[in-house]
Amino acid sequence: ETGVTQSPTHLIKTRGQQVTLRCSSQSGHNTVSWYQQALGQGPQFIFQYYREEENGRGNFPPRFSGLQFPNYSSELNVNALELDDSALYLCASSPDMAGGEAFFGQGTRLTVV
Amino acid sequence: AQRVTQPEKLLSVFKGAPVELKCNYSYSGSPELFWYVQYSRQRLQLLLRHISRESIKGFTADLNKGETSFHLKKPFAQEEDSAMYYCASNMEYGNKLVFGAGTILRVKS
Repeated sequence: ETGVTQSPTHLIKTRGQQVTLRCSSQSGHNTVSWYQQALGQGPQFIFQYYREEENGRGNFPPRFSGLQFPNYSSELNVNALELDDSALYLCASSPDMAGGEAFFGQGTRLTVV
Repeated sequence: AQRVTQPEKLLSVFKGAPVELKCNYSYSGSPELFWYVQYSRQRLQLLLRHISRESIKGFTADLNKGETSFHLKKPFAQEEDSAMYYCASNMEYGNKLVFGAGTILRVKS
């Protein structure tokens, strides 16, 4: 069984640029959630995808967008990057929208300069 | 808005001492509460959830709706328990988690 994998591991971008982060969900999982973790804080929910549809969104602006593909892998896109977007971005997959344990990836560290 | 509060950033105890990591939540409905743990250089992983009422690695947590708390306890701390611990609550149906800021547990020998 393959765990949740995220790419890239680290990324440096310039303010105003766009970035795409990728997540492969655990085998058999159809639900993917994305979280932003700023330094010294707990993860904050961005949005969730279930069977290729957005299924809930946290308090993030529209420049944060996502996709889920038929194989249930997912992308997080952030446009017009701001310095405050610098954070660890975590992806979590779970077996179903109804719940079940959420399995986290190792995260992507984004630095905006 | 739903909120999870962990009042301690750092808890330092000696090996063999009891541990209590505090967690309070604010939610008007019936929340589902979790404890997640992150060991050094490892990913975030589920430690326990209140609906399962299990003891994992000697840790237990009881949901107290009157006090809106879900404190994590262990009677005798071990050095391998040193980690970052996050309390989390489900915002709504389906694993949309609200996390606290986390507590670092350091177990000294």
